[in-house]
Amino acid sequence: DAGVIQSPRHEVTEMGQEVTLRCKPISGHNSLFWYRQTMMRGLELLIYFNNNVPIDDSGMPEDRFSAKMPNASFSTLKIQPSEPRDSAVYFCASSAGTGAETQYFGPGTRLLVL
Amino acid sequence: AQSVSQHNHHVILSEAASLELGCNYSYGGTVNLFWYVQYPGQHLQLLLKYFSGDPLVKGIKGFEAEFIKSKFSFNLRKPSVQWSDTAEYFCAVNFLGYGNKLVFGAGTILRVKS
Repeated sequence: DAGVIQSPRHEVTEMGQEVTLRCKPISGHNSLFWYRQTMMRGLELLIYFNNNVPIDDSGMPEDRFSAKMPNASFSTLKIQPSEPRDSAVYFCASSAGTGAETQYFGPGTRLLVL
Repeated sequence: AQSVSQHNHHVILSEAASLELGCNYSYGGTVNLFWYVQYPGQHLQLLLKYFSGDPLVKGIKGFEAEFIKSKFSFNLRKPSVQWSDTAEYFCAVNFLGYGNKLVFGAGTILRVKS
């Protein structure tokens, strides 16, 4: 299995631009999670989906952030407009079942907003 | 609210020293417990997990952890560390019945001196 796939691996953009991060979960997994990792705040859960439905988005920082999962094999996390404080590593993870099982992480997208 | 505490933020050891990293959580119900490792510049990888059964769990690379329910703890141990164990270690807890979200501790950065 290829594992969780994320793209791009690195993204540098200017403040105010739209940023779209992509994730392909492990085939057969039906829970998908988006995390943000920063030095100051550690690992934060932004949102998670079960069977393509958003279950908990309480971690999404503000309206500039949105996430979609149009099908079982693809999810996006969009930031519009981006700000320098959004600079972080964004991880996608997936798991089987309802999410209580082991989560498998992707390689992350390192985002730098100038 | 449910929380996960890792008391050691930075640990420095010499090679061959023994390691114990503390992890405590606050929740009286059923939990699934995990330790993840993040090597420099890489994504999170599962070291070991506990769902039920024998509270002493063995993981990869010689790591083990013991679940002590009465102490709400899941400490990670390794009898003899190697330079290649230099990484950040995260304890994570899934509080079953509370949305199945994985809550991470703040992480412990381990540096092993050769």
